[in-house]
Amino acid sequence: QKEVEQNSGPLSVPEGAIASLNCTYSDRGSQSFFWYRQYSGKSPELIMFIYSNGDKEDGRFTAQLNKASQYVSLLIRDSQPSDSATYLCAVNIRGGSYIPTFGRGTSLIVHP
Amino acid sequence: DAGVTQSPTHLIKTRGQHVTLRCSPISGHKSVSWYQQVLGQGPQFIFQYYEKEERGRGNFPDRFSARQFPNYSSELNVNALLLGDSALYLCASSAGNPGETQYFGPGTRLLVL
Repeated sequence: QKEVEQNSGPLSVPEGAIASLNCTYSDRGSQSFFWYRQYSGKSPELIMFIYSNGDKEDGRFTAQLNKASQYVSLLIRDSQPSDSATYLCAVNIRGGSYIPTFGRGTSLIVHP
Repeated sequence: DAGVTQSPTHLIKTRGQHVTLRCSPISGHKSVSWYQQVLGQGPQFIFQYYEKEERGRGNFPDRFSARQFPNYSSELNVNALLLGDSALYLCASSAGNPGETQYFGPGTRLLVL
């Protein structure tokens, strides 16, 4: 089992819909969780980080963390074509780790 | 403030050659990490440096080496290039505390022919 797993997609949603991206991780000791967005040919840019169980909202983005079930998700409300990108989940495996482990990313396509 | 900078942006080399990639972190950040990203995969960790000391190393061959300078900038060196080394090389900067956010530079795209 890989340490951080994401469905590679593509996930296709219509403009204005909610896009739901999921990520599971293997180590119960993980404490820091990040979502990055990566446009084709560009480097990853941070969208959100979350450390505590529950929801964290920032504009149209909501990160949800469930440590008991070992998953973290990203919801994008009112999806726009400009949200079309690959979304990378990163987890600091094992508490106190300095180095995040990345999933392979989920490709999101928002069609008009 | 300037973000993470990397040079060069693109590079073409032939098998067997050597390459040096450079990175300058965000001002005030003391940690630099290097990642390799091939098409369709997430970034794979290569090295992390903090205060000029290696703090972590990923599962890469000894052909890969790195160092960090007193001004916290860093170099990644790859010897005896293979076709499989073709990838996007990413540098990420952070203050250096466990679990904190890393910020990526624009990357260097390396093509080995």
